[in-house]
Amino acid sequence: QVQLVESGGGLVKPGGSLRLSCAASGFTFSDYYMSWIRQAPGKGLEWVSYISSSGSTIYYADSVKGRFTISRDNAKNSLYLQMNSLRAEDTAVYYCARSTINWFDPWGQGTLVTVSS
Amino acid sequence: QSALTQPASVSGSPGQSITISCTGTSSDVGSYNLVSWYQQHPGKAPKLMIYEGSKRPSGVSNRFSGSKSGNTASLTISGLQAEDEADYYCCSYAGSSYVFGTGTKVTVL
Repeated sequence: QVQLVESGGGLVKPGGSLRLSCAASGFTFSDYYMSWIRQAPGKGLEWVSYISSSGSTIYYADSVKGRFTISRDNAKNSLYLQMNSLRAEDTAVYYCARSTINWFDPWGQGTLVTVSS
Repeated sequence: QSALTQPASVSGSPGQSITISCTGTSSDVGSYNLVSWYQQHPGKAPKLMIYEGSKRPSGVSNRFSGSKSGNTASLTISGLQAEDEADYYCCSYAGSSYVFGTGTKVTVL
């Protein structure tokens, strides 16, 4: 079955960096766009970034543009999110999701990123 | 990009129907037939319920239906069941970006 497993979350100080990973299985990873979506504690969902199947097309939310970098390794069936210059407002559960222009499905279980001194 | 507007909460008794609205602008909901809806139970990842405004993925109950008129999309849950109690989020493509709704907590009385 289709499965997405995020890892790499944790506690980081403001201004620090973190790299999230998402391991995909159960489908042909290289055929699909992929996305990162986050949810601050007790808050709603916020789309973060989107990468095409080949990696040639990438979109970012304005809130992370210039600080976050999405990438993928189709040989390893893996998606990544490099997060730099982290701020308190980046504290959230980060989900990866298989994507098309029409939907996000399924989602991984999420990994918690906490930015605090 | 501002979040799409949803009511904070909607409630209904078992067997009733409820509708959740999702209001955007001519730059997102109004411009594209690419609204999706997600159900999220506490502590769980969101689940796709509706895509392209009104299509249901395989495995999703036909009690869930979607529609759109102008800048507002809607999700209707008919024959409300206890397991439908959850948070629901709409999402729209907005041209090189996506915007989610503010979320609606559905309570089954």
